[in-house]
Order: sequence, then C-alpha cells, then structure tokens
Amino acid sequence: DAKTTQPTSMDCAEGRAANLPCNHSTISGNEYVYWYRQIHSQGPQYIIHGLKNNETNEMASLIITEDRKSSTLILPHATLRDTAVYYCIVNSGAGSYQLTFGKGTKLSVIP
Amino acid sequence: DVKVTQSSRYLVKRTGEKVFLECVQDMDHENMFWYRQDPGLGLRLIYFSYDVKMKEKGDIPEGYSVSREKKERFSLILESASTNQTSMYLCASSEGWNQPQHFGDGTRLSIL
Repeated sequence: DAKTTQPTSMDCAEGRAANLPCNHSTISGNEYVYWYRQIHSQGPQYIIHGLKNNETNEMASLIITEDRKSSTLILPHATLRDTAVYYCIVNSGAGSYQLTFGKGTKLSVIP
Repeated sequence: DVKVTQSSRYLVKRTGEKVFLECVQDMDHENMFWYRQDPGLGLRLIYFSYDVKMKEKGDIPEGYSVSREKKERFSLILESASTNQTSMYLCASSEGWNQPQHFGDGTRLSIL
C-alpha cells in the first residue's frame, strides 16, 4: 500500500471548516483513499473514502486531486467533539486487507 | 449505522489464564478482524476471517487463536495470557474487501 504523509497537528476554531491534507504521491490506480479518526480511548471511526471523484457524506467531504497524489478531508463546521487524531490511509482492499495507520493529524478544535 | 460490539471495555486477567474476547456485528458483514493497538506501534492485525469457520493469520498471531462459528460473531482467544499481551484490542468488520472497516470501541486488557 502507498505511504501517506500528514501534518502532525492542526488547530481549528469551533464553527469553522477544518481542512486536513494528506499526501499520497505513490498511490496506484486501484488504491482507495480512506479517512478514519480516533478519539482518545475509543476505537477508530470510519469517516469517508474515495477512489477518484470527490465524495461527500453526512460527516465530511473528501477532495482528491486530479493526479490522485493528494487529498483533503473537510469537516464543514468543526465542533469540539471533532477533536481527534485523523488518519489518512491508502488501501487497495483485495489482498491488502490490513489497515496501516500512520501517526495521523491531531486536530484540536478551539472554542 | 453499522454496530460492532465488543463484550468488555476493560478487562483484568492473570498470567496463564485463558482469555476470551468477544465481538458481534449486526450488519451481516463477510469480513471480521482483530487488531491490537499499542503506543508507538499503531494497529497490528492479529487474525481475520472472511467467512464462517474461515480464518487467516495476520502479522502477529502467536499466542492467539480465533473462532467464527456464526457470521455475526468473531472471538479472540488468548490461550495462556502473558504480560506482553496487555494492550487495547480492537475488532472490526467490513462488507467486502474494498469497503471500509468499522470498529468497535475496543477492550483494554491488562494481564497481571
């Protein structure tokens, strides 16, 4: 699976959009981009995933660049409950069933 | 919403005991996984199962076994618990290989 690079930490004001970047320059054609988050002492929570097109669900939006070498997770109106470590993972699924979590980005939402 | 339920949030056991961790999912998912999470080491896959009675070893299966007698339930067994198995254990399930994995809240296991 391709390696990902994320900033170590970010701050965001409550109510503002949080934009979390991820670099995955070695991504291959059949690899999906997944985003998870983990709040302290809880299991990871799936947020969103995509292959080529931008995706949106009730939690977030995922913007993938045309060359697929980077992506941005957008939380449109961050709340204090969004404070967590966010992980960007690239995975092809079949034959690569294991999720490899890097260090992620620690997002702190500030009141 | 997908629900993955792990039987205990916190568990304390003694060295040498046989320990059972249970996981149940309510979405009829084919795949189920057991991971452990340790500071600085990230998530490591212990075992996974792609069907009833089917299992495959992950990266760190030594000292563990699993059981999947029903589609919704996946059990992790520590045959003879040791202190180096103190960890956070996470169960996950997914509908298929290109589908996201959904996690339970984890079991924090301490072996004394």
